[in-house]
Parts: sequence; C-alpha cells; structure tokens
Amino acid sequence: SQTIHQWPATLVQPVGSPLSLECTVEGTSNPNLYWYRQAAGRGLQLLFYSVGIGQISSEVPQNLSASRPQDRQFILSSKKLLLSDSGFYLCAWFTGDSFSYEQYFGPGTRLTVT
Amino acid sequence: GQNIDQPTEMTATEGAIVQINCTYQTSGFNGLFWYQQHAGEAPTFLSYNVLDGLEEKGRFSSFLSRSKGYSYLLLKELQMKDSASYLCAVTDSGNTPLVFGKGTRLSVIA
Repeated sequence: SQTIHQWPATLVQPVGSPLSLECTVEGTSNPNLYWYRQAAGRGLQLLFYSVGIGQISSEVPQNLSASRPQDRQFILSSKKLLLSDSGFYLCAWFTGDSFSYEQYFGPGTRLTVT
Repeated sequence: GQNIDQPTEMTATEGAIVQINCTYQTSGFNGLFWYQQHAGEAPTFLSYNVLDGLEEKGRFSSFLSRSKGYSYLLLKELQMKDSASYLCAVTDSGNTPLVFGKGTRLSVIA
C-alpha cells in the first residue's frame, strides 16, 4: 500500500528564517506529487505539483519554491519566511485514469511564522 | 476562472440524513472529488465522480450533474464521528491538480 510521510509535524519559525519541508512516498513509483497549503479558515490552495524528477510546476507566485530530487521525494523550501506563510502544509499523491482517480494526503506540517 | 461554492456550516442530528451541496464553475472539468477533514488532520478521500449520477459507498453517496455544475454528498445514519469538514474539489484533466472549495463544516448533534 502507498504511504506518504511528512516532517516535521509542527514547526515554529521566525519571520525571515529559511524553511525546508520534506515529503516522501512509499509503495509507488513515478507518482504525481503536490504541495498544498491550508490557511486558517480557508480552503486548500495548490502551491506546486510535480509529474517527475526535476519537473516542478508552480501555481502561485510567492516566496516558496519546490524541488524533486528523487522520484519519491518532494521538498518545499523558502529562503525567507513571511507571516503569511503560516498554515497547514500538505503533501499529496495522485493517481488514476480517466474514470478512477484517487488522491492521498500526508499527515501535514503545521507551520507558525512568528 | 475557477469557482467552487459550498455552504460554510451545517448542523444535523445523529441518525439523520444530511446532504451537502457543491456547485462549480471551472474552465474545464474532468471529475469531482469529495474529502472528509477532521479538525487538525489531513483530508481523507471519500469519492470521485466523473459521470453523471449517484455513486454509493456504504453510508456515503455522491451525486454529480455535469450539465448543472452541481454535486452533493449524502451522509446517512449520521454518527457523532461524522462531525468534520467536507471538501469538494474539481479536476479538469488527468494530470491537472485539483481546485478545492472552502469546505462545509458539519456538526452532528445528539
């Protein structure tokens, strides 16, 4: 079965500090991987997605970046955090065909920027 | 543009049936997802509809009308553990990521 790992689970960082969140997937190869953010009281916002190693698509221009150094590893980074970067960050794996899709989320990282 | 609308909050009684509606206006459409999200946790996948009609999975059913841009999630025999947010999301092609609504917070009361 497929499993998504994320760490850390919670993080408190000062404004202007760097960020690195990691996501790894087990039990599948060449998955489509996604980073979402959920801010308090708001819906899920897609940040980045990747269909393969080194392939990153950005949905929202901001001070965050993503990388996919290995097939089952997806990293979210920032050089300088802003207060508005606080939120619940979720990595997701997505699979399926025209009539049957499934998407699974990792446990998430709750980031508080102070 | 992409727009997905859901009611913000709903309350229902334990043992009852509740219907959570979702309407969407998107530039493309391939299918619609429903997720359950308990407070402080990641969403969990409930269902995916690509064809019109009703799909049933135990106590949960999901309906889609592509011509009307409308879906609903039907929860039967409500239990206290069903208190959660329910997220509607749309995908417009096989590899295109999902656009989410803001979710409906359901409270199940005794």
